[in-house]
Amino acid sequence: GAGVSQSPSNKVTEKGKDVELRCDPISGHTALYWYRQSLGQGLEFLIYFQGNSAPDKSGLPSDRFSAERTGGSVSTLTIQRTQQEDSAVYLCASSLVGRNIQYFGAGTRLSVL
Amino acid sequence: DQQVKQNSPSLSVQEGRISILNCDYTNSMFDYFLWYKKYPAEGPTFLISISSIKDKNEDGRFTVFLNKSAKHLSLHIVPSQPGDSAVYFCAAKLGGGKLIFGQGTELSVKP
Repeated sequence: GAGVSQSPSNKVTEKGKDVELRCDPISGHTALYWYRQSLGQGLEFLIYFQGNSAPDKSGLPSDRFSAERTGGSVSTLTIQRTQQEDSAVYLCASSLVGRNIQYFGAGTRLSVL
Repeated sequence: DQQVKQNSPSLSVQEGRISILNCDYTNSMFDYFLWYKKYPAEGPTFLISISSIKDKNEDGRFTVFLNKSAKHLSLHIVPSQPGDSAVYFCAAKLGGGKLIFGQGTELSVKP
């Protein structure tokens, strides 16, 4: 695709439910990143995939958060047993290997009621 | 521990004047810095960047200055236009891949 695609654009869920957020990176980009932006805050790094290397999971806030990247392309971020503090915009970005510029999708706005 | 800080949450300037957005950082090992612009309900869009080995980078109306001794970064927009109204984030890269972002500055350019 022309850019990074994320779905859904909005997700409302009840506390305690599991959610899955999807990211489709720019074709040919081997690096993929997940960030989240809470209200009034900057972007917070969550996880980073680079090719076939083990992902950098150092930003995941708890073991309720996990992510996978299948076939080196599409990635899914899963949040189990959602809590109200998980409400945020979840942003995905991709880049070419070795390049510094990351290109972002429009994000998924998650609201946990 | 906020490694990248944008201390001004908002800035208002007149159309045609200069906008100066500031960013401070604490980690001297950052090797690359970027500025992103974000409109509501959209993802951040890359604007301009600078390597830690340089002190200035210019692209049209946008110039980024890096003062390593002060651990300070600034973005100058000249002349400012109403379409520049957005939230601006500075970000720093430390080896690897992840970016560390500041909290953002909302710029409003008045006609």
